[in-house]
Amino acid sequence: DAGVIQSPRHEVTEMGQEVTLRCKPISGHNSLFWYRQTMMRGLELLIYFNNNVPIDDSGMPEDRFSAKMPNASFSTLKIQPSEPRDSAVYFCASSTRTSSTGELFFGEGSRLTVL
Amino acid sequence: SQQGEEDPQALSIQEGENATMNCSYKTSINNLQWYRQNSGRGLVHLILIRSNEREKHSGRLRVTLDTSKKSSSLLITASRAADTASYFCATVSLIQGAQKLVFGQGTRLTINP
Repeated sequence: DAGVIQSPRHEVTEMGQEVTLRCKPISGHNSLFWYRQTMMRGLELLIYFNNNVPIDDSGMPEDRFSAKMPNASFSTLKIQPSEPRDSAVYFCASSTRTSSTGELFFGEGSRLTVL
Repeated sequence: SQQGEEDPQALSIQEGENATMNCSYKTSINNLQWYRQNSGRGLVHLILIRSNEREKHSGRLRVTLDTSKKSSSLLITASRAADTASYFCATVSLIQGAQKLVFGQGTRLTINP
């Protein structure tokens, strides 16, 4: 099993540019989560989907952030325009309701630096 | 907003000693999970304890849950240098039939050889 795949692993961009982060969940998983991790704020839940439908996006910082899940095998997190305070590691995770443990499987993260 | 709060924020012990980390939370939960994160990597699930359970074991890990105090603890026995990592608790609630996991700030554990 390939696990959760995120791309890019590292991105350096300039303020004002659009950033798109991508995630491929584990096949068969029907829940997908986006988290952001910083030293100051820890791990923040941004948004999560169940069966491709956004369930809770209350963690999305502001309108500059948007997330989509067009199908069960792909999700994107977009920041437009990006700002230096968006610099963080963004994690995608997936799970399945049928799992007896209900555990999340995390990708390796996308480290974003906005100059 | 963060649900769980871990205590202590950092812990440094000698190899072979036991490490105890605590987690407190504020609202009702379906279950509580503990995760480990090595530097620069994603989080890895360690153990889950359901709201109707009080204690659970897995290898050198022991987790307790006290729903009346809204707290949980993770004990790692006979620690090893490879246990050096950050440990997070995650509270789990059900929203529209889907599990919502909210993580605490984590405890940074250092095991000295």
